[in-house]
Amino acid sequence: DVKVTQSSRYLVKRTGEKVFLECVQDMDHENMFWYRQDPGLGLRLIYFSYDVKMKEKGDIPEGYSVSREKKERFSLILESASTNQTSMYLCASSPPGTGILETQYFGPGTRLLVL
Amino acid sequence: DQQVKQNSPSLSVQEGRISILNCDYTNSMFDYFLWYKKYPAEGPTFLISISSIKDKNEDGRFTVFLNKSAKHLSLHIVPSQPGDSAVYFCAATSGNTGKLIFGQGTTLQVKP
Repeated sequence: DVKVTQSSRYLVKRTGEKVFLECVQDMDHENMFWYRQDPGLGLRLIYFSYDVKMKEKGDIPEGYSVSREKKERFSLILESASTNQTSMYLCASSPPGTGILETQYFGPGTRLLVL
Repeated sequence: DQQVKQNSPSLSVQEGRISILNCDYTNSMFDYFLWYKKYPAEGPTFLISISSIKDKNEDGRFTVFLNKSAKHLSLHIVPSQPGDSAVYFCAATSGNTGKLIFGQGTTLQVKP
């Protein structure tokens, strides 16, 4: 079974803090993704990565950066947390290849509250 | 601009009856569609998918229908069970990008 883990289930941070959200997958997947989930907006893609050291902007990258130094680990960084970044953050991974490329495996999520 | 829309935020059905969840999309380049299910405090899990070359895909109690001309897909759950109560997300992708575009989600409640 694919396992995607996220470092924290709940986080409370203050405005202006630098926040690190970590994601690790154990299935040697090339592709990894960060989403945020907000009521009425569904899941929105922040950043994704096709391979180590590679990153691509998603639909809402402003205020975020990412790091992929190792294949199994994809980190989301909030450079200076703001209250509008209070959200549920979901990490996902997927293997390459036609047919199964689109099936993403999600972690349990990190609920971040920025005060 | 929301390319994938789930216009019903919630749906309530009786156990044993059919649940129908709807999804509309605007991008005609989408060629693969998926449904994910999400329980509270858990990440979404893949449920069922359909390629744009098909109009129906069935997996047990779950069937997805695709109407390309209407840019509409639906998920049918028959019979519905209380354990099906969750948030259902429709998603779409095009080409081999691996990027999924998600809808807003529909919360399904199945009453015993």
